[in-house]
Amino acid sequence: KNEVEQSPQNLTAQEGEFITINCSYSVGISALHWLQQHPGGGIVSLFMLSSGKKKHGRLIATINIQEKHSSLHITASHPRDSAVYICAVRRGATNKLIFGTGTLLAVQP
Amino acid sequence: GAGVSQSPSNKVTEKGKDVELRCDPISGHTALYWYRQSLGQGLEFLIYFQGNSAPDKSGLPSDRFSAERTGGSVSTLTIQRTQQEDSAVYLCASSLSRGSETQYFGPGTRLLVL
Repeated sequence: KNEVEQSPQNLTAQEGEFITINCSYSVGISALHWLQQHPGGGIVSLFMLSSGKKKHGRLIATINIQEKHSSLHITASHPRDSAVYICAVRRGATNKLIFGTGTLLAVQP
Repeated sequence: GAGVSQSPSNKVTEKGKDVELRCDPISGHTALYWYRQSLGQGLEFLIYFQGNSAPDKSGLPSDRFSAERTGGSVSTLTIQRTQQEDSAVYLCASSLSRGSETQYFGPGTRLLVL
C-alpha cells in the first residue's frame, strides 16, 4: 500500500464545476504539499500546509492532521486548470517528499 | 528573478554510457533536491543537499547514481553505466532553507537510454 494515496486518479469536469481532489496518507508528517504539473510542463508548487486551510484565488487546500487527509478544491473550474495534481508529504523530520501518484484533471469547455 | 534551471533539457544516450545532469538552483536557496519521474510512475526522491551538511542520499536507487553540489550552489547528478530503466525525467528543486519550505522546481532533464 502506498504511503500517499490520491483519489480520484482521473477526473473529467465541465467548465464551471466545483472540483475536489483527495489525498490520504499513512505516515506522520511535518507538512503536505499540493503540486500542479501541466502536460509537458514543469511542476509548480500550489500549497504547503501543516494545519488548517489555505486559499489562493480559486484554489483552496485543507488538511486534517488527525484524519491524515487533505483536499484540494478548485472553484469555478476552467479548461486551463487541466493538469496533473500531485499530493506530497514530508515525513516527520526527514528531508524527502513522498509523492502520491497524481490526479489527472481534464476540464472541458 | 531567475528560477531553477536544468541542463540539458533532453539527453539521449546509449546503454552503458555515463551521463551528467546539471541543476542551477535559485540564488540564495540553501536546500536542493533531485527527483525522478519515470514514464507512468510518480515522482520519487533521489537526494537532498542542505548547505554544507552531508547530503541525504537515501533515495538513490543504486551505486551507479551519485550527486555533488559545489560551493553550495550548482549541483550535478551523475549516472554511471546507464541502463534503459534509468530513462526518466530528472527534476531538480530548491528551497530557501531546510524544513517545510516551498520547493521551486526546474523544468527537468528528459533522459532516454537506448
